[in-house]
Amino acid sequence: GNSVTQMEGPVTLSEEAFLTINCTYTATGYPSLFWYVQYPGEGLQLLLKATKADDKGSNKGFEATYRKETTSFHLEKGSVQVSDSAVYFCALIYTGGFKTIFGAGTRLFVKA
Amino acid sequence: GAGVSQSPSNKVTEKGKDVELRCDPISGHTALYWYRQSLGQGLEFLIYFQGNSAPDKSGLPSDRFSAERTGGSVSTLTIQRTQQEDSAVYLCASSFGQGAQDTEAFFGQGTRLTVV
Repeated sequence: GNSVTQMEGPVTLSEEAFLTINCTYTATGYPSLFWYVQYPGEGLQLLLKATKADDKGSNKGFEATYRKETTSFHLEKGSVQVSDSAVYFCALIYTGGFKTIFGAGTRLFVKA
Repeated sequence: GAGVSQSPSNKVTEKGKDVELRCDPISGHTALYWYRQSLGQGLEFLIYFQGNSAPDKSGLPSDRFSAERTGGSVSTLTIQRTQQEDSAVYLCASSFGQGAQDTEAFFGQGTRLTVV
C-alpha cells in the first residue's frame, strides 16, 4: 500500500546547525510529495511540495528534492533557528488518489 | 470562510458521554479529512470525504466513531460512549481534492478532547 516513513524524533540541534529529516515513501506511480509543519500551539500548514521526480520544493530556507530512484523526499535546511522548533510531517498523495497520507511526524528542538 | 473552522476548540467530557465535533471547511473544497493527534504522537487518519462519493472510513478506530458531511460542506465527527483513550486533538482538513493531485490540505486549529 501507500505509506510514508520518516525518521523518529525528537531531533535536537543547536542554532545554525544543518538539518536533515529523512522521509521515504511507498507508492505506485508518481505521487505528489509534501512537507507540513506544526509550530507549537498552531495548526498544520504546508511548508513545501514537489509534484514530479527531480523537482525541488523550497520555502523559508527549507528544501526537499523528489528522488524517484530512492523514493525519498528528505527535508534540509542549512542553518536552523530557534523559531524552526516544530513538528514536521512528510506526506504524499498517490497517483489516481486524492487522500493525503502522512508520516508519523518528527519533532525538532533548536537550542539557542 | 477564510480557513477551516473547528468547534469547539476545547471539550471536556465525562467517560461514557457522547460528543460531537464540528468542522466547517473552506468554501469550494470537495475533500474533507478527519485526523486524530494524541499527545506526542503523529497524525492518525480517521475518515475522508470526497464530493458525493462514499467516504473512506478505513481509519475509524471503532464503531463508537462516526462522521457525516451534510450538503458536501460541514462535517460532524461523533464519538459515542467516550473512553479515556479517546482523549486527543481532533484535526479537520479540507482540500480541492478530485482533479488536483498536487493540492495541499488546509487544516483547522483542532478540537482538544479530554475525557475524564
